[in-house]
Amino acid sequence: AQTVTQSQPEMSVQEAETVTLSCTYDTSESDYYLFWYKQPPSRQMILVIRQEAYKQQNATENRFSVNFQKAAKSFSLKISDSQLGDAAMYFCAPAGAGSYQLTFGKGTKLSVIP
Amino acid sequence: GAGVSQTPSNKVTEKGKYVELRCDPISGHTALYWYRQSLGQGPEFLIYFQGTGAADDSGLPNDRFFAVRPEGSVSTLKIQRTERGDSAVYLCASSLTVTDTQYFGPGTRLTVL
Repeated sequence: AQTVTQSQPEMSVQEAETVTLSCTYDTSESDYYLFWYKQPPSRQMILVIRQEAYKQQNATENRFSVNFQKAAKSFSLKISDSQLGDAAMYFCAPAGAGSYQLTFGKGTKLSVIP
Repeated sequence: GAGVSQTPSNKVTEKGKYVELRCDPISGHTALYWYRQSLGQGPEFLIYFQGTGAADDSGLPNDRFFAVRPEGSVSTLKIQRTERGDSAVYLCASSLTVTDTQYFGPGTRLTVL
């Protein structure tokens, strides 16, 4: 069983600046994955980044990176050089390895100010 | 290649009617998932298929909900005797295998009047 807490319902960032979205989770799984998905107004969930819990190195994808603190069960997303197209709902989701259910938080709505 | 597609994009129905929502996964993906997203919430798991069989339907809210995937590709989510509380966005996702990343379709917005 997994639970996810995204404590920031809304965030805003100036274009070209950096913003960090928070996520904490709880899981009974010993091996698991963590995901950040983005959902623009078009509704489609788009994968932003994936982290394997057994890896100590934080995942990065271009302007997106994570700060994964396994002991604290924290998985924050950092967006650098924010762009207008980054405006969306962002969801954090853990999934047990060998499991298939993604458990989503309530999301953080990110606004980008030109 | 083509992503996950879902039809219809929007569906409006009356309370008590039957509806079918369709999902076309990415070609070659063996795993298929349905989620339901209510307003202001994150998606919630409904059912998972591995091939043709429903490996886990524990997320289906009640027996009015049923899903099939007869040939291991396209899946249909069926809702009988719809209720206003069924109004939500229904998302479908697929993955190459169960441990791979899930890729989502654009969803079907169901409105029950």
